[in-house]
Amino acid sequence: SQTIHQWPATLVQPVGSPLSLECTVEGTSNPNLYWYRQAAGRGLQLLFYSVGIGQISSEVPQNLSASRPQDRQFILSSKKLLLSDSGFYLCAWTTTQAGVGTEAFFGQGTRLTVV
Amino acid sequence: SQQGEEDPQALSIQEGENATMNCSYKTSINNLQWYRQNSGRGLVHLILIRSNEREKHSGRLRVTLDTSKKSSSLLITASRAADTASYFCATVPKFISSGSARQLTFGSGTQLTVLP
Repeated sequence: SQTIHQWPATLVQPVGSPLSLECTVEGTSNPNLYWYRQAAGRGLQLLFYSVGIGQISSEVPQNLSASRPQDRQFILSSKKLLLSDSGFYLCAWTTTQAGVGTEAFFGQGTRLTVV
Repeated sequence: SQQGEEDPQALSIQEGENATMNCSYKTSINNLQWYRQNSGRGLVHLILIRSNEREKHSGRLRVTLDTSKKSSSLLITASRAADTASYFCATVPKFISSGSARQLTFGSGTQLTVLP
């Protein structure tokens, strides 16, 4: 069965420090991968998505970047965190199989607090 | 940008009552999905309804879709305290450009509280 791992669960980082959040998927190949951010009490904002290794699409200009070094690994990074980067970050995947439903499977999220 | 907008933003009911949440969207869709999120956790997929479907059932869940009004509703029957969570609708666009992923666009959610 497919599983998605996202870590760490919580993170407190000082302003100006770097960030690296990692997400890995098991049990499927060539998934579409996504990074979302969720502000408190709000919906999900799509930050990045990837349809393949090395292919990253950015939805919102920001202080963050994403990389996909392996088929089932998706990394969210920042060189210097801002206070406004605080939030709940969620990784997700969808299948690329034609004719299959496009439901998304989410990791458990990372609560990032920039202080 | 937000595609789906849920209504109401918050809903509080007694255990055993039915809970109805609504979602409106703006563009043509391939399908619409409902997700549940417990506090501080990831989202869990509940049900998917395609643009050519009008109603779908899954256990105590009933989803309707009206593409002419660009709206959907989620009905949870005989609610339980364990149904307390945030519920989000998400839309998948009908048309995507080559090489792009079918992106899910989420609404801002309805916070459901079921009182025991």
